[in-house]
Order: sequence, then structure tokens, then C-alpha cells
Amino acid sequence: SQTIHQWPATLVQPVGSPLSLECTVEGTSNPNLYWYRQAAGRGLQLLFYSVGIGQISSEVPQNLSASRPQDRQFILSSKKLLLSDSGFYLCAWRPGTGELFFGEGSRLTVL
Amino acid sequence: DQQVKQNSPSLSVQEGRISILNCDYTNSMFDYFLWYKKYPAEGPTFLISISSIKDKNEDGRFTVFLNKSAKHLSLHIVPSQPGDSAVYFCAASGGTGANNLFFGTGTRLTVIP
Repeated sequence: SQTIHQWPATLVQPVGSPLSLECTVEGTSNPNLYWYRQAAGRGLQLLFYSVGIGQISSEVPQNLSASRPQDRQFILSSKKLLLSDSGFYLCAWRPGTGELFFGEGSRLTVL
Repeated sequence: DQQVKQNSPSLSVQEGRISILNCDYTNSMFDYFLWYKKYPAEGPTFLISISSIKDKNEDGRFTVFLNKSAKHLSLHIVPSQPGDSAVYFCAASGGTGANNLFFGTGTRLTVIP
């Protein structure tokens, strides 16, 4: 069966520090991969999605970036975090079209 | 621009009664709609979906209704149970954004025992 994992689960970082959140999917190949953010009191905002290795589409201009170095690995990064980057980050995968399967989420607090 | 909207941020319902959660969308190209349930500090879990060729889909206590002309969908939960208390998100995809799922802002459902 397919599983998705993301880490770390919780992160507290100072403003201006770098960020790296990792996500891996197992049990499937060539999935569509997604990064969403849920900010306090807001819905799920799509940040990035990828349909293949090295293919990244950005939905929202920001100081975050994403990379897909391997088929089942998706990384969310930042060189310098802002206070506004605080939120709950969710990685997800989708077998083409259909439902989206989410990871456990990563809580980022920027101080 | 929010293409999927959930105008009720919260809803309280007595246990055993019906919960109705509503969702509106603006993009007429959307052809696939989903509902997700989310507990705090967890990823959302899929509940039920419906494609635009149907107007109703039922799975146990959960039924989703789609009104394409009104660009409106709703999730009915009956009977409601305390374990249903969570945030519910509707989502939609289709058209040129078929790779993406666009989510609403969520409705927090509280089922009162």
C-alpha cells in the first residue's frame, strides 16, 4: 500500500534562518506531489506541485521554493524565513487525478 | 482569488441530528469535487467525492450533493456523532488546473453530545 511521510513534525526557527521540510512517498511511482500550507484561521493554500522529477510549478509568489530530486521525494525550502511563514505545512500525493492523500503535517513556528 | 468558498466558518449540531456543510465554487470548469475531514495537528483525510456527471453520492452516513447550475455542493452527515467534530474542507479540480486541488477555507463542525 502507499504511504506518505513528512518531517520534521514540529519546527521552531528564528527569523532569517533556513528551512528544509522533506516528504517521501512509498508504494507508488510517478505520483503528482504537492505542498500546501494552512495558516492560522485560513484554509489550505496550494504552494507548489510537481508532476515529475525536476518539474515544479509555483502557485503563490513567496520566499519558499520546492525541489523534487527523486521520483518520490519532495522538498520545501527557504533561504531566509519570515514571520509570515509560520503555519502548518502539508505534503500530499495524487495518482494522476482523483483524491489527494496527505501526510501528517509539519508545524512551523517562526520567532 | 478564492475559487472554492465555504462561507460558514463554524457549525454546531446536536448528536443524532443532521449536519449540512455547504460549499460554493466559481470555476465552471471544475468537474471533480471532494470533502476532507481534518483533526488538529493532523493531515486531512478523504471523506467522499463526486464527479460532475452525478448530482449525488452516498457513503454510509455521508452524502454529497452537487448542484452544477448553482455551482454549489453540500455534505450531509446523518446521524451526526461526537467523533464527527472536526474541520471539513471541500475541494475541487478540473479544467486547465486539473493537476491541482483547490480547497475552501473550512468549516469547523462541533457535534454536541
